[in-house]
Amino acid sequence: KAGVTQTPRYLIKTRGQQVTLSCSPISGHRSVSWYQQTPGQGLQFLFEYFSETQRNKGNFPGRFSGRQFSNSRSEMNVSTLELGDSALYLCASSLGRAGANVLTFGAGSRLTVL
Amino acid sequence: ILNVEQSPQSLHVQEGDSTNFTCSFPSSNFYALHWYRWETAKSPEALFVMTLNGDEKKKGRISATLNTKEGYSYLYIKGSQPEDSATYLCAYSEGGADGLTFGKGTHLIIQP
Repeated sequence: KAGVTQTPRYLIKTRGQQVTLSCSPISGHRSVSWYQQTPGQGLQFLFEYFSETQRNKGNFPGRFSGRQFSNSRSEMNVSTLELGDSALYLCASSLGRAGANVLTFGAGSRLTVL
Repeated sequence: ILNVEQSPQSLHVQEGDSTNFTCSFPSSNFYALHWYRWETAKSPEALFVMTLNGDEKKKGRISATLNTKEGYSYLYIKGSQPEDSATYLCAYSEGGADGLTFGKGTHLIIQP
């Protein structure tokens, strides 16, 4: 079966711009969670969506937002980009809530902010 | 802020040797502990999800144990092979199943 698909895989933006990343989960998975990885840091939890509702949010500013559609696809948006937002953004899907279920990760979207 | 610590940060092991590393997490309000393997240029891949104190899980040459009372989990690799080279991540979930807190990983290099 198809895995978790993230688009775009690579993108370059400039400070002040905004970006939208997309994640299509495995068919049947209802939870999508998002993570940020920067050099020297582990995966930092951004937020989790389950049944179109944000269930939890990590310690990130309000410039980071997301949503989930009725087909479980999810998007995350970062507004007013800063240099420090340069990172690999991973999404993961799971059958149920992320805490108790195996996560299947996408390949990631690598964002560079100039 | 939850603190998930993994040690060592990196590890060089000779092919054929066995090895293990540690994940420490808060012992209160435990819900689940995950292990993932992340190979270069690939996506993290699930190894285990453990929820019960004393749990032991095995997948081929890799096994894991869980002690929720003292807040640690060990990952063991028996007879290391070059394909085991990867970063091994653990992630902790607190009661309520709200998101995961990841450690920074143990970077394992198997030397032929």
